[in-house]
This record gives sequence, structure tokens and C-alpha cells, in this order.
Amino acid sequence: DTGVSQNPRHKITKRGQNVTFRCDPISEHNRLYWYRQTLGQGPEFLTYFQNEAQLEKSRLLSDRFSAERPKGSFSTLEIQRTEQGDSAMYLCASSLGGPGRQAKNIQYFGAGTRLSVL
Amino acid sequence: KNEVEQSPQNLTAQEGEFITINCSYSVGISALHWLQQHPGGGIVSLFMLSSGKKKHGRLIATINIQEKHSSLHITASHPRDSAVYICAARIAGGTSYGKLTFGQGTILTVHP
Repeated sequence: DTGVSQNPRHKITKRGQNVTFRCDPISEHNRLYWYRQTLGQGPEFLTYFQNEAQLEKSRLLSDRFSAERPKGSFSTLEIQRTEQGDSAMYLCASSLGGPGRQAKNIQYFGAGTRLSVL
Repeated sequence: KNEVEQSPQNLTAQEGEFITINCSYSVGISALHWLQQHPGGGIVSLFMLSSGKKKHGRLIATINIQEKHSSLHITASHPRDSAVYICAARIAGGTSYGKLTFGQGTILTVHP
């Protein structure tokens, strides 16, 4: 499978616990995005990496949230001291961005990690 | 007001009907995406448009840049088309980094 892979698919946690999600993008993709989707809404942008550099963070990403992409390949999204309002689907997408014929800027999405905070 | 608005929010159709979902946006864009999301969350990219019209099977997407409007059409709809359809705008500008701004989605249910 060469698509975007996210783990775990589902996470149930108690309020106050820390959780970490992982995203493995398509291997040659240099751009990686995290989005959050609450029930009945479209996804909202959280953060963006170009290679290993985190170039943009949404104001939705409070200081309890941290994301990394240490070697420009997989990425992790950690939420500390989870709150019930963090319950959502966390989506990762990757794309090949930049100039050149191969750079199509089409984002490919993973299946998401559904977080439930009790 | 959201930068990307979709209508309708819910759409019910009988198998075989022609379906149109509309998307309006209020910002400058470099491209507009139509996405399909099935129960369970996975999102599939259907189209990426910057002008004109694209067709893939029974799906047609059009965009009018001057009017800031796009439509997704499904011809001869089928129950397997039941899903959430989301339009997403890639905002133009140097620091947008290709991130997408999404509409709220249209829940389509096609009955046999």
C-alpha cells in the first residue's frame, strides 16, 4: 500500500491523558498537512510541514498540541492533557509540491484517526 | 461567513437522478478540489480544478473563476454514490503553502 497511512485508526482516552498520532505520507511527498474534522463539519487546517520544517500552524493549534516531522518522512501529532473538545477526526494529507512537472499539488488523504475523549 | 460555502447541506435523491452540488468561495484561489468522504472518514480526491470543466466517469466538475463558483454534477446517480462531498479551496498567495480551506460538506443519500 503506497497511500497515506495513519495510526491508530481509533483512540479512546480519558480527559487529561496525552495521546500521539502518527502519519506516514506517500514516500516521495515533501508536503504534509494535518487537519481536524469535527462531526458534521468540513476539515480545518492545523499545521503544515515542508520536508522537516513546520512552516505554518493554525491558531486552532493550542500549546497543548505539538507536531513533528523529524526526518521529513513520517509525522506525529501529540495532544497533551486532552479535553473533551479535542474529540474529532484527525486527518493527515501529503502532496508533492513545488515547481516542475511532477509537482501536482494534489493532496492525498489518510483514513484519519478518530479521537474520543471521555 | 465561511470562506467556502456549499449547498445544499443535505441532498436525497432517487437512483438515476442527476445531482448538482454547489460551492461558492469568497477568496482568491489557485485551485479548487472536490473530495468524497465515506463513513469511517477516508477522503478521496475527485477533482482538482483551476478553470473550466473536468469529467471522470459519471462525475463532472465545473468552475467559474469570475463568479467564484464551482459545481459537482453526478449523472445517473447510484446508491454507491452516497457519501459526503466536500469542496476545498487552495488559497492563492505565497504563504498559503497549498493548505486547503474546506466547505462544510454535502451529505448525499441516493435511494434505490
